[in-house]
Amino acid sequence: DQQVKQNSPSLSVQEGRISILNCDYTNSMFDYFLWYKKYPAEGPTFLISISSIKDKNEDGRFTVFLNKSAKHLSLHIVPSQPGDSAVYFCAASGAGSSNTGKLIFGQGTTLQVKP
Amino acid sequence: DTAVSQTPKYLVTQMGNDKSIKCEQNLGHDTMYWYKQDSKKFLKIMFSYNNKELIINETVPNRFSPKSPDKAHLNLHINSLELGDSAVYFCASSQDPGGFAGELFFGEGSRLTVL
Repeated sequence: DQQVKQNSPSLSVQEGRISILNCDYTNSMFDYFLWYKKYPAEGPTFLISISSIKDKNEDGRFTVFLNKSAKHLSLHIVPSQPGDSAVYFCAASGAGSSNTGKLIFGQGTTLQVKP
Repeated sequence: DTAVSQTPKYLVTQMGNDKSIKCEQNLGHDTMYWYKQDSKKFLKIMFSYNNKELIINETVPNRFSPKSPDKAHLNLHINSLELGDSAVYFCASSQDPGGFAGELFFGEGSRLTVL
């Protein structure tokens, strides 16, 4: 039972254009959503997060949108740069002390930004 | 100066052997984790420790035993290795999980191959 899903395994975008990475979840109890970025042979690194009480969070070129009614979030990268080429993981954390510190990850989307 | 470091990065071994992966963090964080990335690329939590105390223990076979000698170290010992244990294992750390917003700092991963 995969509670966080990234249905697009890969995405290719031209440099300077917008990249949109999507993520769907099933558990309405999640209270934080996060995006991590991973380069080959490295560990994932935190990119941006959003609380479930918000619908948008922006940090420079990166914006995360949350649609709770659709249980969907997306990461927008504008403008995309070749250095953004990486695997992007969507993750969610649950409410309650029993879930504290437990992130549920999607399976990742590989973004390729072409020069 | 690596924040979260794991050793070894690569490990090839035979079925039935016992092996350990070590993890150390120099961020002063109270909480450490082990995640497993399987062949389908999902990152799944295995264990977390807060200040040497086990707080999350997912449904992991008893052959896996985490050990935290102090809050800067979390080692993973695996007994009687099986083919299905082949995966990349990531160590991570975070600040105290109270009010957890999900930012984990990951190590580079340890790729375990069981033959």
